[in-house]
Amino acid sequence: GQNIDQPTEMTATEGAIVQINCTYQTSGFNGLFWYQQHAGEAPTFLSYNVLDGLEEKGRFSSFLSRSKGYSYLLLKELQMKDSASYLCAVRPYGQNFVFGPGTRLSVLP
Amino acid sequence: DSGVTQTPKHLITATGQRVTLRCSPRSGDLSVYWYQQSLDQGLQFLIQYYNGEERAKGNILERFSAQQFPDLHSELNLSSLELGDSALYFCASTLTGTGANVLTFGAGSRLTVL
Repeated sequence: GQNIDQPTEMTATEGAIVQINCTYQTSGFNGLFWYQQHAGEAPTFLSYNVLDGLEEKGRFSSFLSRSKGYSYLLLKELQMKDSASYLCAVRPYGQNFVFGPGTRLSVLP
Repeated sequence: DSGVTQTPKHLITATGQRVTLRCSPRSGDLSVYWYQQSLDQGLQFLIQYYNGEERAKGNILERFSAQQFPDLHSELNLSSLELGDSALYFCASTLTGTGANVLTFGAGSRLTVL
């Protein structure tokens, strides 16, 4: 089966850098996704990795290592508005999206 | 605005009742997914439709049913409601039914069962 693990909660300071890790167990997948979800709101797409390596998108970057079953989301120059849950998700071949439990990030002044 | 429209935004009802949640996918998307998210819980996949046909089923209760219509909008019917059904219900859409398409979520329908 598929399983995705993420830390439950993280805290960081405004202006800092934070790395949110995601580990997964699946035999093969089309891509790995990161979503941001503010409390009570819909998840919004942040990034997508299909190949190993780093994808950079402004203050957010995402990294994938298929051989290690590992991804991380890197948030730079943290802002208060980055306080949210961050969801890691994969879509295994021939199957539906599998979401991780999410990491709740609190950004403190 | 993500392009995925859900109605109603909020719904309060009593136990034992039945409600219908509606979703219009993003223009051009053929596949619709329904997710349930209880307070402080993860996203639970309920069901997926592609071009009017059921494509995949997740943890959907027998009291719940859904369909996708020829115009591609979808409805999720929840019946014999229980207190534990109180949750945010999200609809999401993708262009195709498989592969690595990005899921685009609607704003959700918040159901409160009293």
